[in-house]
Amino acid sequence: DVKVTQSSRYLVKRTGEKVFLECVQDMDHENMFWYRQDPGLGLRLIYFSYDVKMKEKGDIPEGYSVSREKKERFSLILESASTNQTSMYLCASSRTGGGNQPQHFGDGTRLSIL
Amino acid sequence: GENVEQHPSTLSVQEGDSAVIKCTYSDSASNYFPWYKQELGKRPQLIIDIRSNVGEKKDQRIAVTLNKTAKHFSLHITETQPEDSAVYFCAATGNTGGFKTIFGAGTRLFVKA
Repeated sequence: DVKVTQSSRYLVKRTGEKVFLECVQDMDHENMFWYRQDPGLGLRLIYFSYDVKMKEKGDIPEGYSVSREKKERFSLILESASTNQTSMYLCASSRTGGGNQPQHFGDGTRLSIL
Repeated sequence: GENVEQHPSTLSVQEGDSAVIKCTYSDSASNYFPWYKQELGKRPQLIIDIRSNVGEKKDQRIAVTLNKTAKHFSLHITETQPEDSAVYFCAATGNTGGFKTIFGAGTRLFVKA
């Protein structure tokens, strides 16, 4: 069974801090994704990656960056955390296949910026 | 840009009744339509999916229909049970924008015992 592991379930940081959210998958998936989930807005894509060292902007990349140095690991970075980045962050991975593959999600990181 | 509209946002049904959730997508190049269920405090999990070359797919009490002409797809749950209570998300993936998946805003389903 696919395992997507996010490093923290809950995280509290201060405004202006640089924040790192880590995600690791164990199924050798090519594709990895970062979403934020807010009530009434569904899942909004922040960044995604098709391969090591590759990244693509999603719908809401502002204020975020990502890093994919190894195939199994995809990191989300909040360069200077702000209160409007308080949210649930979900990581996901999928096999390649023209986009016709389901995504497997981690348990999420609930991030609070004070 | 591409979007997926999902209705209703909240749905309450009596145990044993059917539930229907509808989605509309904008990108005509979309060709893969998964549905995810997210129970409270848990991760979203795939429950069923359909590809653009198929009009309907069924898995026990769950079925999904796709109308590519109208750009509509729907989730049907029959004989609902309390454990079906969750948030359901539809999604659409296309060939543009690098196979990006667009999610609907979600439907919170309550099944009353």
